[in-house]
Amino acid sequence: GDSVTQMEGPVTLSEEAFLTINCTYTATGYPSLFWYVQYPGEGLQLLLKATKADDKGSNKGFEATYRKETTSFHLEKGSVQVSDSAVYFCALRGTGGGNKLTFGTGTQLKVEL
Amino acid sequence: ETGVTQSPTHLIKTRGQQVTLRCSSQSGHNTVSWYQQALGQGPQFIFQYYREEENGRGNFPPRFSGLQFPNYSSELNVNALELDDSALYLCASSPGGGDQETQYFGPGTRLLVL
Repeated sequence: GDSVTQMEGPVTLSEEAFLTINCTYTATGYPSLFWYVQYPGEGLQLLLKATKADDKGSNKGFEATYRKETTSFHLEKGSVQVSDSAVYFCALRGTGGGNKLTFGTGTQLKVEL
Repeated sequence: ETGVTQSPTHLIKTRGQQVTLRCSSQSGHNTVSWYQQALGQGPQFIFQYYREEENGRGNFPPRFSGLQFPNYSSELNVNALELDDSALYLCASSPGGGDQETQYFGPGTRLLVL
């Protein structure tokens, strides 16, 4: 079945550091890929998405590229801020119909001054 | 435009009881999905409703059931609560039609089973 694997956290960075959160997936065909962010005490917010191979999703300085050859969708940001501290979830929507999202376990990011 | 809302925000129940959680979808959205997020884990898909019919179900037992109403709001019902049902329950709505992929999540209901 479909699955998503994320790097374990917490990831602790200084403000303005470069961020990479790794995400790989297992699915048949060409799933759609997503990054969601969860701030403390809140629900999930869509950060970015990509629906086909080589697409790059971007939002608020975050980027991720859909790499079919490596089944990856790594999240990157060139310069993180304290306000980026949150839990980040990689997710996929498979090709089997319906609109079910399969999530990774999440990666907590802590950004310090 | 009002986003996805859920009620209540927090709930405490005892083992064996029944619970009903409610979700109002975003305006114009006809598809609602429910997810269970255990502490420190990613959300797990429970089921989805499209135009008042169940349209997909995850690996959850039948004591997890749901409804969708004509205004596309939804309920999640859990019978015979178990301690492991303690989690954050998330509702997500999507527009249907050509943009089914983007799901918009509510803030969740945190359920504690004692």
